[in-house]
Amino acid sequence: DTGVSQDPRHKITKRGQNVTFRCDPISEHNRLYWYRQTLGQGPEFLTYFQNEAQLEKSRLLSDRFSAERPKGSFSTLEIQRTEQGDSAMYLCASSDRDRVGYEQYFGPGTRLTVT
Amino acid sequence: AQSVTQPDIHITVSEGASLELRCNYSYGATPYLFWYVQSPGQGLQLLLKYFSGDTLVQGIKGFEAEFKRSQSSFNLRKPSVHWSDAAEYFCAAVNPFSGGGADGLTFGKGTHLIIQP
Repeated sequence: DTGVSQDPRHKITKRGQNVTFRCDPISEHNRLYWYRQTLGQGPEFLTYFQNEAQLEKSRLLSDRFSAERPKGSFSTLEIQRTEQGDSAMYLCASSDRDRVGYEQYFGPGTRLTVT
Repeated sequence: AQSVTQPDIHITVSEGASLELRCNYSYGATPYLFWYVQSPGQGLQLLLKYFSGDTLVQGIKGFEAEFKRSQSSFNLRKPSVHWSDAAEYFCAAVNPFSGGGADGLTFGKGTHLIIQP
């Protein structure tokens, strides 16, 4: 069990550019979650997958955001036409309802700075 | 709306003193409850969880939490803090009965714990 990994750990981009983040969950976990955390706040749920199916999207996930989990393993989160308000830490978590119930295991996050 | 409230933004405790971090929830039904800790540059680490049963739950690193239905609270405690406990602490909840696959955790805003020598 190597834990949840995220890449990159930091990303600085200019407003209007597109960015993509990757998350590799714990290998036997079938559920994968994305959260966003801004300074001084707790993480806010964005979306989650069970295997390759995206089952829920928060209203926080605007049309500029898209997430995929094509083979039910790693996931990508893309933000198009970034805005300064997108600056945040993007956290990924994984779980397996049958193995660990409702516990979610978090990665270290990708910190996005939009200039 | 479902929510989790952590009333204390910052708490300062002397090393060796006891600690209690407050968490209140607002849900239609009793949710599942969690406490996570986040250290600088680190991901969120699960300290403990409550699903049902015994209302006093033990976690890692010497932490415990008590669920009180009458107060809609799930407060985190530690009898004696260490300097390494300085971190951000988050209470979180999920409603397993909401149906429709609503699975995302709802977090409080966090409590920043400062340890005085």
